Amino acid sequence: EIVLTQSPATLSLSPGERATLSCRASQSINSYLAWYQQKPGQAPRLLIYDASSRAAGIPARFSGSGSGTDFSLTISSLEFGDSAVYYCQQRSSAWTFGQGTKVQIK
Amino acid sequence: EVQLVESGGGLVQPGGSLRLSCAASGFTSSDYWMYWVRQAPGKGLEWVANINRDGSDKYYVGSVRGRFSISRDNAKNSMSLQMNSLRAEDTAVYYCARDLSPTLRGWAYWGQGTLVTVSS
Repeated sequence: EIVLTQSPATLSLSPGERATLSCRASQSINSYLAWYQQKPGQAPRLLIYDASSRAAGIPARFSGSGSGTDFSLTISSLEFGDSAVYYCQQRSSAWTFGQGTKVQIK
Repeated sequence: EVQLVESGGGLVQPGGSLRLSCAASGFTSSDYWMYWVRQAPGKGLEWVANINRDGSDKYYVGSVRGRFSISRDNAKNSMSLQMNSLRAEDTAVYYCARDLSPTLRGWAYWGQGTLVTVSS
C-alpha cells in the first residue's frame, strides 16, 4: 500500500499569507496525485488533479506542484474561507489519502 | 447538473448487513467509474471500493474485501454497496463519488453522504 504523509498537521496563518502544504508518498506515484479541501459537515471538494491541474471553478490562488514522491499545495494568499482540512490522494496503486492538514486562519 | 444522492445508512448491530445506494443524475453513469469513500467520525478519508463503467471490474480496500460488494445498474443510473458482517470500525459517513470526466481522474463530484453506525 502506498502511504501518503502530509505535513504539517496544522497550519495557522493570517489572511493574505502564503500557505504551503506538503505531501510525501512512500514510493513514486508519478503525477497521480490530487488535493481536496474539506470543511466541517461537507463532502470533500476537488482542488487539484494530476498534481498540478486545477479543477473547474477553483481559484488561481490554489496551485499544486511535484512529481514522484514529493508534492505540495500552495495557497498564495489566504482568505478566511480557506479554513479547512486539506487531503492529498494518490491513484497510482489503488487509492489512498494522506491524514490531512488542518489550515486555520488567525 | 450532476447530482449524487446516497441512501440506506442507519444503525446496525455488529455482524449485521446494510445496503447503500447512490442515485446519479445529470450525466450518463455508464461513462464513468464510480467510487465509495468513507470517513469515520473525526477521522480522515478512506477509499472503500470502486467499479468500472460496465461493472465488470471491482476493487476493494483490504479491510472490507470479502464482506462488502459493489454493484451498479446503468439502466437506473445507480450504484450500490452491500455491506455484510459489519464491524464497529465500519462506522462512518459513506460517500459516493465520480471522476471529473471519463478521462480525467479526480473525484470532482460527491454525494452528501449517508451515516452508517455499527453498534449494539
